[in-house]
Amino acid sequence: QQQVKQSPQSLIVQKGGISIINCAYENTAFDYFPWYQQFPGKGPALLIAIRPDVSEKKEGRFTISFNKSAKQFSLHIMDSQPGDSATYFCAARRGSEKLVFGKGTKLTVNP
Amino acid sequence: DVKVTQSSRYLVKRTGEKVFLECVQDMDHENMFWYRQDPGLGLRLIYFSYDVKMKEKGDIPEGYSVSREKKERFSLILESASTNQTSMYLCASTTPAGSLWSYTFGSGTRLTVV
Repeated sequence: QQQVKQSPQSLIVQKGGISIINCAYENTAFDYFPWYQQFPGKGPALLIAIRPDVSEKKEGRFTISFNKSAKQFSLHIMDSQPGDSATYFCAARRGSEKLVFGKGTKLTVNP
Repeated sequence: DVKVTQSSRYLVKRTGEKVFLECVQDMDHENMFWYRQDPGLGLRLIYFSYDVKMKEKGDIPEGYSVSREKKERFSLILESASTNQTSMYLCASTTPAGSLWSYTFGSGTRLTVV
């Protein structure tokens, strides 16, 4: 049973556009929702994270929107750049338990 | 910054060989993890360890074993490599200290079994 469902699997956006990646979770006990960014040939790295007591967190061009009632959270990349082309993973965790990852979204930003 | 180092970036092994993948972290992290990454399947957890000499099975442990004799080192062992173990292998470490602890990943080892 997949606890965190991520969509789409791949996404192509034009430079300057908005990239949106969605995740849905089932376990209401999850209390930490990070997003990881992975460039080709590298391991994933923490991009931004949110706790369920806030509905939005913004860091530069990257924003997490969190909808607790719908059990969904999403990553928005404003003014997408070719350098943002990477694979993005959402994840969730309860307390000190291990992270549960989504299956990833490969983002391509065309120049 | 925490550094997680995987000893090899690329490996080519023959079917039936015993394969060792090594991972070392330099920040005294308690928790260490081994994942494999395949297109369309995301990150799948193979094994993890919360302390020296402790290990727990992840979601896909079959065909693998692990060793953690020292806190900084976590080894993944393929007892008898098979072609379906061709994959990217990622090691990660973390510590539960702090309110928003996160995983630090190595750069991965791309293993090809021929």
